[in-house]
Amino acid sequence: GENVEQHPSTLSVQEGDSAVIKCTYSDSASNYFPWYKQELGKRPQLIIDIRSNVGEKKDQRIAVTLNKTAKHFSLHITETQPEDSAVYFCAASQPNAGNMLTFGGGTRLMVKP
Amino acid sequence: DAGVTQSPTHLIKTRGQQVTLRCSPKSGHDTVSWYQQALGQGPQFIFQYYEEEERQRGNFPDRFSGHQFPNYSSELNVNALLLGDSALYLCASSPRTRVVVGTEAFFGQGTRLTVV
Repeated sequence: GENVEQHPSTLSVQEGDSAVIKCTYSDSASNYFPWYKQELGKRPQLIIDIRSNVGEKKDQRIAVTLNKTAKHFSLHITETQPEDSAVYFCAASQPNAGNMLTFGGGTRLMVKP
Repeated sequence: DAGVTQSPTHLIKTRGQQVTLRCSPKSGHDTVSWYQQALGQGPQFIFQYYEEEERQRGNFPDRFSGHQFPNYSSELNVNALLLGDSALYLCASSPRTRVVVGTEAFFGQGTRLTVV
């Protein structure tokens, strides 16, 4: 089955700096890659996603890049703010797998004011 | 729109007991997935229901079972509880018509299960 690895497990940045979180996946058939943000005690919420027919996607301060050949994708957050502090999860799913998501282990991002 | 709602929010059970968790999907969604999230880890897929049948299953023992009702709501049942079953159980819903190409899964707040 699919295996998703995520690095780093913790990331501390100064407010205004950029943050990058990286994920690798094992199943070359995977074609959908969402990123979820989970604040303490709250539900995971989708912040951005990318499909395998696209190499990069941007939404304001957040961007995701996908390298299908290397089977890795990354989340980039620019101009970080204290409210960006949370745990971020990457995930992958395969076609016709009913949106079954395989998650990475998570990255705890701390943005220091 | 209430989004995905789960009940109860917290639950304490004793080893060997059975538990039932409930989920109501987001309005317009007909597919429900269940995930187990252990402390400090990413969610792990348990199974998914559509049209009242289990369609996909992750690597979980038969002690984990589920059900989907005609109104698309779902239950997760866990028998013979073990200490290791202590976790946050998340329900996620999606519209089936878009599931085959990957689409946003909307998560509920989860049920925190503690087995003592």
